[in-house]
Amino acid sequence: DGGITQSPKYLFRKEGQNVTLSCEQNLNHDAMYWYRQDPGQGLRLIYYSQIVNDFQKGDIAEGYSVSREKKESFPLTVTSAQKNPTAFYLCASSIRQTEAFFGQGTRLTVV
Amino acid sequence: AQSVSQHNHHVILSEAASLELGCNYSYGGTVNLFWYVQYPGQHLQLLLKYFSGDPLVKGIKGFEAEFIKSKFSFNLRKPSVQWSDTAEYFCAVNAPGQAGTALIFGKGTTLSVSS
Repeated sequence: DGGITQSPKYLFRKEGQNVTLSCEQNLNHDAMYWYRQDPGQGLRLIYYSQIVNDFQKGDIAEGYSVSREKKESFPLTVTSAQKNPTAFYLCASSIRQTEAFFGQGTRLTVV
Repeated sequence: AQSVSQHNHHVILSEAASLELGCNYSYGGTVNLFWYVQYPGQHLQLLLKYFSGDPLVKGIKGFEAEFIKSKFSFNLRKPSVQWSDTAEYFCAVNAPGQAGTALIFGKGTTLSVSS
């Protein structure tokens, strides 16, 4: 089945730790995106990548980092510098700027 | 940079009522427009999209949207809602002619339909 796989579904992080969220797609899409979803805030763009080995900051990139070493993979690291990391994180991919397809999301909780 | 504004934060309707959710965007160039839906516990799904052509677009589950360029609007409509339409709805936009841009979302509208 083609699609986008995010893992894990739930993630717990202690204060001061870095954690990495996985996103893999087998749709052969060039573009991949990370969004953060908070109640009443909609989806806010963290980082996006239009092509391998290249990525751009979105509106709320502070405290996050990404890499795009392979077309299929776009992992997101939530660093200890992110002051309020508890949220629902969504990964998406698209063919250039057509519609985006979304994964099931990862819910990150700081404990 | 583009931005998207959704006018209604929470809409409450009875079954069979008509629905219109407002969406305005700010960008002067060519845009692609989208409505996504997120049902409780499910991932985001595309309802409909507009790239060019007929400004009235039809999507899944009886939804439609009208692109009015002069008003920078892309409102979502459904003549008669069902209880199963209870969900969160997001309007989104990107600028295909502008290299390096991403899909930008509004803050969403929660629709609650009572039976």
